[in-house]
Amino acid sequence: AQSVTQPDIHITVSEGASLELRCNYSYGATPYLFWYVQSPGQGLQLLLKYFSGDTLVQGIKGFEAEFKRSQSSFNLRKPSVHWSDAAEYFCAVGARLTGGGNKLTFGTGTQLKVEL
Amino acid sequence: EPEVTQTPSHQVTQMGQEVILRCVPISNHLYFYWYRQILGQKVEFLVSFYNNEISEKSEIFDDQFSVERPDGSNFTLKIRSTKLEDSAMYFCASSVLAGSTDTQYFGPGTRLTVL
Repeated sequence: AQSVTQPDIHITVSEGASLELRCNYSYGATPYLFWYVQSPGQGLQLLLKYFSGDTLVQGIKGFEAEFKRSQSSFNLRKPSVHWSDAAEYFCAVGARLTGGGNKLTFGTGTQLKVEL
Repeated sequence: EPEVTQTPSHQVTQMGQEVILRCVPISNHLYFYWYRQILGQKVEFLVSFYNNEISEKSEIFDDQFSVERPDGSNFTLKIRSTKLEDSAMYFCASSVLAGSTDTQYFGPGTRLTVL
């Protein structure tokens, strides 16, 4: 069965500093990988996804993530954090369902705090 | 930009009561999902629904749960007899299969509190 580990429960960074959120996955086949963000009172918004091809993927809001098969990792990065990036970030791995669609398995999330 | 909507945003109920959580998926989407997140825990998959039937369900999704697409727009999750441990945030998601990729778009969630 697939699983996702996000080792950092809380991270605090200063505005303008760089950010890296860690994600490790376990999945037997080629993984479909996602990063979602959840602001208070909001749903889960997709930041970016990896299905195949280029291992460095670009997403919305200036985020990027790099898939490293050898390390089973899909870390999220941003070169310069803005105060509005404060939110909870979830990494997920998707498993194809027989009838189509994906079943997502989420990590526990990383709460990002941005200091002004 | 189209989005998934959910109602109500917060539902409070007594243990043993039935609740129905409602979702309106994005209009051209074909796959529908329910997930839940108990406070402080991971977001967990409950069920997927395609072509008017369940395509997969988790072990959490027991006989107390059911899903339905009663018309062309709504997708509902019913909990027949709520328990205290059903208190959670419930998220609806939808996706459209486009080749080999499939991205789920989530609604804002319904917070269910069982007293």
